[in-house]
Amino acid sequence: DAKTTQPNSMESNEEEPVHLPCNHSTISGTDYIHWYRQLPSQGPEYVIHGLTSNVNNRMASLAIAEDRKSSTLILHRATLRDAAVYYCILRDLNDMRFGAGTRLTVKP
Amino acid sequence: EPEVTQTPSHQVTQMGQEVILRCVPISNHLYFYWYRQILGQKVEFLVSFYNNEISEKSEIFDDQFSVERPDGSNFTLKIRSTKLEDSAMYFCASSSGWGNSPLHFGNGTRLTVT
Repeated sequence: DAKTTQPNSMESNEEEPVHLPCNHSTISGTDYIHWYRQLPSQGPEYVIHGLTSNVNNRMASLAIAEDRKSSTLILHRATLRDAAVYYCILRDLNDMRFGAGTRLTVKP
Repeated sequence: EPEVTQTPSHQVTQMGQEVILRCVPISNHLYFYWYRQILGQKVEFLVSFYNNEISEKSEIFDDQFSVERPDGSNFTLKIRSTKLEDSAMYFCASSSGWGNSPLHFGNGTRLTVT
């Protein structure tokens, strides 16, 4: 399985940008880079995904390195509701496996 | 926005009993998944399902587990003889395709085996 590496935890101040890194040096050409998050006591929630180009949506931006061996999830203005575990996952065909993710703490 | 719904939200069962966890995926989705999360641990993949058959399963998904799409709307996970270690949150998810399609998750069923 292609694997990802993320920091165990990060902290941010409210209303500041947050950059969550992910390394995926063994990514294959057909792997999409997906990000999900899990708020306390809830199921995982889709955030964003991409293949090669940077992506933006209403929740976040995804910056993908040119060699695709790393990516960064960008929350432009962190709120207290963004406190969650963020998962970077490589998704190819018929399964999608979670790692330990990054626990983001947002301080007021 | 369409949602994946799971019932019940909490199920308590005795060891050795059979349980069926139910999910209603998003209506136009064709790919279905079950995950579980033991308290304090990571989300673990169990199985994916497409075209009325299992596409992929993990080492956790042994003969005690089975999945079924009994009609056009429900997707179920059956555990034949529950063990204490099956206690976990079980999440159902669906998607409209493979790699380029996000998974949409339900809020889970908390299974407690006593």
